[in-house]
Amino acid sequence: AQSVTQLGSHVSVSEGALVLLRCNYSSSVPPYLFWYVQYPNQGLQLLLKYTTGATLVKGINGFEAEFKKSETSFHLTKPSAHMSDAAEYFCAVSGRTGYSTLTFGKGTMLLVSP
Amino acid sequence: GAVVSQHPSRVICKSGTSVKIECRSLDFQATTMFWYRQFPKQSLMLMATSNEGSKATYEQGVEKDKFLINHASLTLSTLTVTSAHPEDSSFYICSAREAAGANVLTFGAGSRLTVL
Repeated sequence: AQSVTQLGSHVSVSEGALVLLRCNYSSSVPPYLFWYVQYPNQGLQLLLKYTTGATLVKGINGFEAEFKKSETSFHLTKPSAHMSDAAEYFCAVSGRTGYSTLTFGKGTMLLVSP
Repeated sequence: GAVVSQHPSRVICKSGTSVKIECRSLDFQATTMFWYRQFPKQSLMLMATSNEGSKATYEQGVEKDKFLINHASLTLSTLTVTSAHPEDSSFYICSAREAAGANVLTFGAGSRLTVL
């Protein structure tokens, strides 16, 4: 069984400020972890993923996330927010077999003010 | 990169009619496709897993006779909402699993269904 908890349904930052979106997971097996972004009325776009190896993962648009096994966390960060980063962000977890399903968190809406 | 095309992006229909949504993997073969439903300001709810050449696997609580899924080829899966009612209005999103890679899903742009 697996689950994802995203703390905060909304996060507000000023343009240029640090972005931190929190994600904690629960999984009975070593997980794969993902962050997806969704713009209004669009599908999801993969930002980054953790599978194995380096625990600090860099993704697109300047985002990165760090897998911390001891904290069962996979928080998403970006040093400097841009207006175009305003969107809904979903953390997701899956097992490592080829047929594992993806379980999503409830999402965090990132609001960026000028 | 992998691209999934979903059509139509928006559809409005009368109550009682059926609506078909197509999901195509454009540059890769997808043996497995997934259908999600997303309510306003909520997360994605997995409805069913569609496997090419076999019957779809539905999640608990999803009516298989209501939401017909067909995955006739390695690049196409369809979702048909039969006898649609206003409560079926939602944002439906498909995704396809790339053959290579760690469970990475490529998502379609979604289909907004409004049932009047």
